[in-house]
Amino acid sequence: DAMVIQNPRYQVTQFGKPVTLSCSQTLNHNVMYWYQQKSSQAPKLLFHYYDKDFNNEADTPDNFQSRRPNTSFCFLDIRSPGLGDAAMYLCATSRPGGRGNTIYFGEGSWLTVV
Amino acid sequence: LAKTTQPISMDSYEGQEVNITCSHNNIATNDYITWYQQFPSQGPRFIIQGYKTKVTNEVASLFIPADRKSSTLSLPRVSLSDTAVYYCLVGDIEGSSNTGKLIFGQGTTLQVKP
Repeated sequence: DAMVIQNPRYQVTQFGKPVTLSCSQTLNHNVMYWYQQKSSQAPKLLFHYYDKDFNNEADTPDNFQSRRPNTSFCFLDIRSPGLGDAAMYLCATSRPGGRGNTIYFGEGSWLTVV
Repeated sequence: LAKTTQPISMDSYEGQEVNITCSHNNIATNDYITWYQQFPSQGPRFIIQGYKTKVTNEVASLFIPADRKSSTLSLPRVSLSDTAVYYCLVGDIEGSSNTGKLIFGQGTTLQVKP
């Protein structure tokens, strides 16, 4: 059974039109992450939440925002998507508090910008 | 965060053992070493994790020398379905909001041939 669920799997949006990707988890993990992965590249961390504590990577553009209304859900908001934002967006979770905890990934949301 | 270096690509044949080495010279005392596998259009999948010496599970072994500045993922008797990108990650995914994140290196693309 899927433990980290991303919706939608595929999203097409127009240039400049705001889009939201969602992630839910059944693991009750404290930490949730958003990664961006472009074609033939490694996933790039955008930001992560430790509970409600938001941690933005220094090079994440302001165009990318996130919300975490509760433990189970996290959203990625792209305020004005550009052609360069076309990518797969990966949500992941982990549970700190013990060494060697694993990060669990969802299957990704593919974003196309037209 | 410790930076990782892996070969960009490797080729192998079905039935062979494959060893992928990762360098992480700046690994910190609290860091664990985790390997992920990623197929095209899917989220990364956990393979194995270790701190020191040797770890073995049903799919792979992980060898870590005493200085922990490198690690080797060993895949016994690979099949065509093992063709994927393999990522070595080093990080401490416990603790405060200043930790708890993993950064991906470029990964190793393994191509298994018949």
